[in-house]
Amino acid sequence: RKEVEQDPGPFNVPEGATVAFNCTYSNSASQSFFWYRQDCRKEPKLLMSVYSSGNEDGRFTAQLNRASQYISLLIRDSKLSDSATYLCVVNQDTDKLIFGTGTRLQVFP
Amino acid sequence: DAGVTQSPTHLIKTRGQQVTLRCSPKSGHDTVSWYQQALGQGPQFIFQYYEEEERQRGNFPDRFSGHQFPNYSSELNVNALLLGDSALYLCASSFDGNTIYFGEGSWLTVV
Repeated sequence: RKEVEQDPGPFNVPEGATVAFNCTYSNSASQSFFWYRQDCRKEPKLLMSVYSSGNEDGRFTAQLNRASQYISLLIRDSKLSDSATYLCVVNQDTDKLIFGTGTRLQVFP
Repeated sequence: DAGVTQSPTHLIKTRGQQVTLRCSPKSGHDTVSWYQQALGQGPQFIFQYYEEEERQRGNFPDRFSGHQFPNYSSELNVNALLLGDSALYLCASSFDGNTIYFGEGSWLTVV
């Protein structure tokens, strides 16, 4: 079983749509959680951290359920510029990041 | 303030050869980690250096080795290259558990 599992997609959605990505992790001792965005042939960039209380950054909302070991990302009012691969990431300790395979999003006009 | 810089950006090697990739961390960062990202996969943790020592290691063979210098820069060495080593190699730096920054990566093709 992979340590971090994501649906690889692709998710093809029209502009303005709401789209949700889910992720599960296997190590209950994991300490911190993130969503990274990766554009084609570029490095991953931090999109947002994920907290148990849930957190929002503009059109993006992230949630963590430690009991279910489940992380989600919701994107509202999708823009063409949101097209990218979204990586679910778990930090187990001392900055060792475990990445999912990524979920590809394509927003069309 | 320069971010994480990596070199070279692209390189092609032949099976059996050796390669060295280089990374300069973001200013003020003392921890460097290396990741391998194969096509269609997420990055996989190779190892991490802190205070010039390898602190953690992922599931990679001994052909993968590294080094950290007193100025915190780092090298990744891969010996006896295999076709399967073709990937994007990412360097990430951090300080004291704060935000981790990635370099743009080195694209390695083994033919």
